[in-house]
Amino acid sequence: ETGVTQTPRHLVMGMTNKKSLKCEQHLGHNAMYWYKQSAKKPLELMFVYSLEERVENNSVPSRFSPECPNSSHLFLHLHTLQPEDSALYLCASSHPQGTGELFFGEGSRLTVL
Amino acid sequence: AQKITQTQPGMFVQEKEAVTLDCTYDTSDPSYGLFWYKQPSSGEMIFLIYQGSYDQQNATEGRYSLNFQKARKSANLVISASQLGDSAMYFCAIERVQGAQKLVFGQGTRLTINP
Repeated sequence: ETGVTQTPRHLVMGMTNKKSLKCEQHLGHNAMYWYKQSAKKPLELMFVYSLEERVENNSVPSRFSPECPNSSHLFLHLHTLQPEDSALYLCASSHPQGTGELFFGEGSRLTVL
Repeated sequence: AQKITQTQPGMFVQEKEAVTLDCTYDTSDPSYGLFWYKQPSSGEMIFLIYQGSYDQQNATEGRYSLNFQKARKSANLVISASQLGDSAMYFCAIERVQGAQKLVFGQGTRLTINP
């Protein structure tokens, strides 16, 4: 059983839809991350939140909008996506005093039609 | 900038044999951490093993060991006595020390264990 929970596990949406991915962790971590995993590509870091403040945004298009209301929850709001945005979106968290290990959720498989 | 290279897109191994998954890295940080993760078909990334750049001994965790050769900038994962459940994608990653804490991942190796 993972300490990081992502919902929904699967999402199919049209290019004009608005949807959100949710991530929740109860590990007491204060840093949370969104990664994108496309076929045949390395995991790409999208956003990093530390103490609920966004500290990194890796040139992600504005159609992806993250939100971190508290240290346990992270959202990724999706708006007017493109078919190439279809991927597995992985949420992770980490402890600041740890070795740097990331604890991942099972991911949300997104398909954009 | 950090970079991880995994040159084996796929590996096929007989059950109970040992397998080595290759990983080379590039970094200018004097201190760094190296990680291996396993990703089964369910999608979750499972942490396997960690090696700090200043650790004197190679890391071991059960059937997993890390063959760390700092001068060659390699951090190969060795799985002993492979099992059918070891079939998965395996990712090597390096920790970026400066700036926001994050891991940089390689492209992964798909390991298939044959009965």
